[in-house]
Amino acid sequence: ETGVTQSPTHLIKTRGQQVTLRCSSQSGHNTVSWYQQALGQGPQFIFQYYREEENGRGNFPPRFSGLQFPNYSSELNVNALELDDSALYLCASSLAGVYGYTFGSGTRLTVV
Amino acid sequence: QQPVQSPQAVILREGEDAVINCSSSKALYSVHWYRQKHGEAPVFLMILLKGGEQKGHEKISASFNEKKQQSSLYLTASQLSYSGTYFCGTGASGNTGKLIFGQGTTLQVKP
Repeated sequence: ETGVTQSPTHLIKTRGQQVTLRCSSQSGHNTVSWYQQALGQGPQFIFQYYREEENGRGNFPPRFSGLQFPNYSSELNVNALELDDSALYLCASSLAGVYGYTFGSGTRLTVV
Repeated sequence: QQPVQSPQAVILREGEDAVINCSSSKALYSVHWYRQKHGEAPVFLMILLKGGEQKGHEKISASFNEKKQQSSLYLTASQLSYSGTYFCGTGASGNTGKLIFGQGTTLQVKP
């Protein structure tokens, strides 16, 4: 098992810019979820992709969007960055979403 | 709505036991438990599905009371490696994709 890989590990962006975060799922997993984790808080659900289709979304504005590719890897795109978008972004993969999730180590995004 | 975890923090000596509780105001289909060490990814411990089952993982076990919409994580004979922040994640339907996580319980095990 290769686990979940996220890139980049750290990123600094300016308010108003756009950012793309990437995630490679664990081998054999077909479901990817993205979470935002503020310091000292639990992860907040952004959205989930299953077989390249969005399959559930949390309370995040449309400027948060995503993609899942045929190899089940995924991207999270955030447009018009705001200071409050500064957080750790976690990607988690699973098999059909009914088993435990394997999380990546995350991307630490800082918006200045 | 976010499940409520208690206690918020606990300090133990090696070999002591601890219980972490997770309560939800919504009907639950599943409960996940994860442990996150500082600067690392959350690590899956176990999942419990509705039916009130209890599961075990080494010296860590958990129960799920569907009627009370509660789950408890039991850590027995704690080890230094158990230190970290424990999160419960609740799923409210058959599609457990959307997990709502609690605020976390920080556990510190001292020698």
